[in-house]
Amino acid sequence: DAKTTQPPSMDCAEGRAANLPCNHSTISGNEYVYWYRQIHSQGPQYIIHGLKNNETNEMASLIITEDRKSSTLILPHATLRDTAVYYCIVLDNTGTASKLTFGTGTRLQVTL
Amino acid sequence: DAGVIQSPRHEVTEMGQEVTLRCKPISGHDYLFWYRQTMMRGLELLIYFNNNVPIDDSGMPEDRFSAKMPNASFSTLKIQPSEPRDSAVYFCASSLGTGGANVLTFGAGSRLTVL
Repeated sequence: DAKTTQPPSMDCAEGRAANLPCNHSTISGNEYVYWYRQIHSQGPQYIIHGLKNNETNEMASLIITEDRKSSTLILPHATLRDTAVYYCIVLDNTGTASKLTFGTGTRLQVTL
Repeated sequence: DAGVIQSPRHEVTEMGQEVTLRCKPISGHDYLFWYRQTMMRGLELLIYFNNNVPIDDSGMPEDRFSAKMPNASFSTLKIQPSEPRDSAVYFCASSLGTGGANVLTFGAGSRLTVL
């Protein structure tokens, strides 16, 4: 039972903003949206997470819709090094670890 | 901090041999996770520990797999006997329980090839 839906692939020109969508229409009130990415041959890397407010850090911005049924990860100025598979994950954040389950993600290709 | 350290980075072995993968989590992290990644099945959670105690091992494929965490700075994943279908990249990750339990830091992985 997939909790999130992401497009399988996207392209983005270097220097432009990359906007990666994620649908999570069955999200419950206490579930957070997490984003990870995996660059080829490396371990996954945490990017950002949020509950309902928009979040920003040094890597990206996370925009969550008011009804929380979808979100968008924004890489403001994509570089070739941002080419990776991006995973959107929904889970509880109660202070104890949840079973972080990675789906198939979105393969982002950044091109010159 | 050097991050999560895994060894070996690459292992090639023959079917039937014992394989031991090692992980050193980030100091102070109280959660440790073992994942396996294959083309067919993607990233799968095998087991995770909290304060050295196994919490959920429902992802461990079968009795040939075992994981231990004898202390806060070391964990092993053992496969005995190994089979060709165990060929995969095995990732270890750790996280800080308080406020960041689901912010995992992954190691570089151990690529296992069983011939």
